[in-house]
Amino acid sequence: DAGVTQSPTHLIKTRGQQVTLRCSPKSGHDTVSWYQQALGQGPQFIFQYYEEEERQRGNFPDRFSGHQFPNYSSELNVNALLLGDSALYLCASSFRLAGGTDTQYFGPGTRLTVL
Amino acid sequence: QKEVEQNSGPLSVPEGAIASLNCTYSDRVSQSFFWYRQYSGKSPELIMSIYSNGDKEDGRFTAQLNKASQYVSLLIRDSQPSDSATYLCAVNRAAGGGNKLTFGTGTQLKVEL
Repeated sequence: DAGVTQSPTHLIKTRGQQVTLRCSPKSGHDTVSWYQQALGQGPQFIFQYYEEEERQRGNFPDRFSGHQFPNYSSELNVNALLLGDSALYLCASSFRLAGGTDTQYFGPGTRLTVL
Repeated sequence: QKEVEQNSGPLSVPEGAIASLNCTYSDRVSQSFFWYRQYSGKSPELIMSIYSNGDKEDGRFTAQLNKASQYVSLLIRDSQPSDSATYLCAVNRAAGGGNKLTFGTGTQLKVEL
């Protein structure tokens, strides 16, 4: 049973560039959430996708956008990269349960460095 | 006030001892609670989930929830050096058709030989 997968593992970009990160959820899961984790901090919620729609969004600017595909995989896009966007980007998948008690499982993450 | 608060540590315990990790949260509407373990340079790994007041045990781990006090804890019995990691407390709340995890900054645990 494959777990959550993410690509690429590492990425180096320069300020102003754009980046796309990819995530495939755990088998049987239909919901994908994205988090940003800066060094020494807990993960911060970016947004969540379910049924190919953004269902909830955290306090991130519009430079951060996403997409979910019919096979439940997802992409995170970040435009106009800033130095402060350097972080570990985590994808978490879950199966949508009534009452919002889904358990989220994390992928290995993508380490983004912005120079 | 932070939504989820944890003591950053480090918390040092000798091998074989009980490690006690604590977490408080501010949103009374929170519905489910999770503990994740994160090794340096790795992604968070789910340890325990708890939804109702009381204790929940899984092997060497016990999660405790007190919604009235807005308090969650994790006990690790017979601590091993391999338990040395950062433990993240996460609180889940459904809103607007979705739900999100809000994390504390984590407590670093060191289990010493």
